[in-house]
Amino acid sequence: EAQVTQNPRYLITVTGKKLTVTCSQNMNHEYMSWYRQDPGLGLRQIYYSMNVEVTDKGDVPEGYKVSRKEKRNFPLILESPSPNQTSLYFCASSFGTPSGAGELFFGEGSRLTVL
Amino acid sequence: AQRVTQPEKLLSVFKGAPVELKCNYSYSGSPELFWYVQYSRQRLQLLLRHISRESIKGFTADLNKGETSFHLKKPFAQEEDSAMYYCALSRMDSSYKLIFGSGTRLLVRP
Repeated sequence: EAQVTQNPRYLITVTGKKLTVTCSQNMNHEYMSWYRQDPGLGLRQIYYSMNVEVTDKGDVPEGYKVSRKEKRNFPLILESPSPNQTSLYFCASSFGTPSGAGELFFGEGSRLTVL
Repeated sequence: AQRVTQPEKLLSVFKGAPVELKCNYSYSGSPELFWYVQYSRQRLQLLLRHISRESIKGFTADLNKGETSFHLKKPFAQEEDSAMYYCALSRMDSSYKLIFGSGTRLLVRP
């Protein structure tokens, strides 16, 4: 089944403890992106990647890192999580850019709580 | 700066009533507009995009550049339309970023 898979789906951690949220897609999509969803703010883009080894900042990149070593994987890294990073995170991918040839396909979301 | 505004957090209508979910945007250039939808226990998915000018599940949306709006409409709401709806904007000249509104929850009551 063609899909975007995120792990973990739920995580409670403590301030400063590094964590990684994995994202994998099996559709051979070039474009991948991370969003966070917060009440009243909708989805805000954290980072995106146009292809392997090509990444760029979205609107809220502070406190996050990403890497794109393989086409199918786009992990989100929180080096030193803080409580303001408590949020629902979505990974998405598309063939081409999201407004070009491709629609965005979303993962199920990862709910992160930082204590 | 680009911005997408969905003024209603919740819209409640009865089955069979017309529905209009509002979306306003601010962007000085040529935008591409989209509606994404998230049904209960399902992933966020594309509903329609303005360049396609199509009707999906009875929904249509027209881009009004004069009013900078992209409202989503359906003449007769169904209970299965209950979901969270997000309007999104991308710049024609730089389509790597997709900016979402805060979303409107549509509740269609029997």
